Amino acid sequence: DGGITQSPKYLFRKEGQNVTLSCEQNLNHDAMYWYRQDPGQGLRLIYYSQIVNDFQKGDIAEGYSVSREKKESFPLTVTSAQKNPTAFYLCASSRVNYGYTFGSGTRLTVV
Amino acid sequence: AQSVSQHNHHVILSEAASLELGCNYSYGGTVNLFWYVQYPGQHLQLLLKYFSGDPLVKGIKGFEAEFIKSKFSFNLRKPSVQWSDTAEYFCAVNAHGGSQGNLIFGKGTKLSVKP
Repeated sequence: DGGITQSPKYLFRKEGQNVTLSCEQNLNHDAMYWYRQDPGQGLRLIYYSQIVNDFQKGDIAEGYSVSREKKESFPLTVTSAQKNPTAFYLCASSRVNYGYTFGSGTRLTVV
Repeated sequence: AQSVSQHNHHVILSEAASLELGCNYSYGGTVNLFWYVQYPGQHLQLLLKYFSGDPLVKGIKGFEAEFIKSKFSFNLRKPSVQWSDTAEYFCAVNAHGGSQGNLIFGKGTKLSVKP
C-alpha cells in the first residue's frame, strides 16, 4: 500500500535536546510538508519541499530544520532553539497543486 | 497573505440534524479548495475538493460543499449527521498556479454529534 509513514508515534524530549522526526513516503510525490497542529490553532506550516535538495521555510520555521536528500524522505529536526516544541507534528506529501496525503503524526512532549 | 477563516470553533448537534460549517478565504485569484476531516485518534483525511467546474462538490460519507466565488466561501454541508461524524473539520486553500503548492488551513471546527 502507498502512503506516508511517520515515526515515532510518541516522542519525549528533554529540554536542550535536539530530536529528529522521521517522514517517509512511497507515493512518488514530489512535494513534502511539515505542519504543526496545536489545539484551536489548526495546522501551521513549518517547512516544505517541492523537489529533492530544495526546501523553503513556512510560517513558523524558527527552531526547526529539515533536509531533503531523497525524494522519499523529509526528516524534521526540532532544535533546542524551539521555545515551545510540545505539539502534534504532521507530515504530508502531494503532487504540486493537488490535495495532500497525511501521515498519522508524531506527538512530541518536552519533559 | 492568504488566510482561511472557519466561523465556528465547536458545533454540537443531535443525530439527524443538518450541518453547515462555514469557510471563507482571502485570495483574489484562482484557488483549489479542500475540506479535511480528522476523526478522534486518526490522521487527517480528504473529505472533498474543488478544482474547477461544478461549484457543488460531493465528497465521501454524504458530505458536500459549495464554492461561491463572489463570497469567497466554501461551506461544508450534510443533510443529516450521524454520531460517527463526530470529528474535527478543516477547510484549506491552495493558490492555483502559484509557485508554492502548500495549503493554508483554517483553525478547524470540532463537531460533536449527540446520539
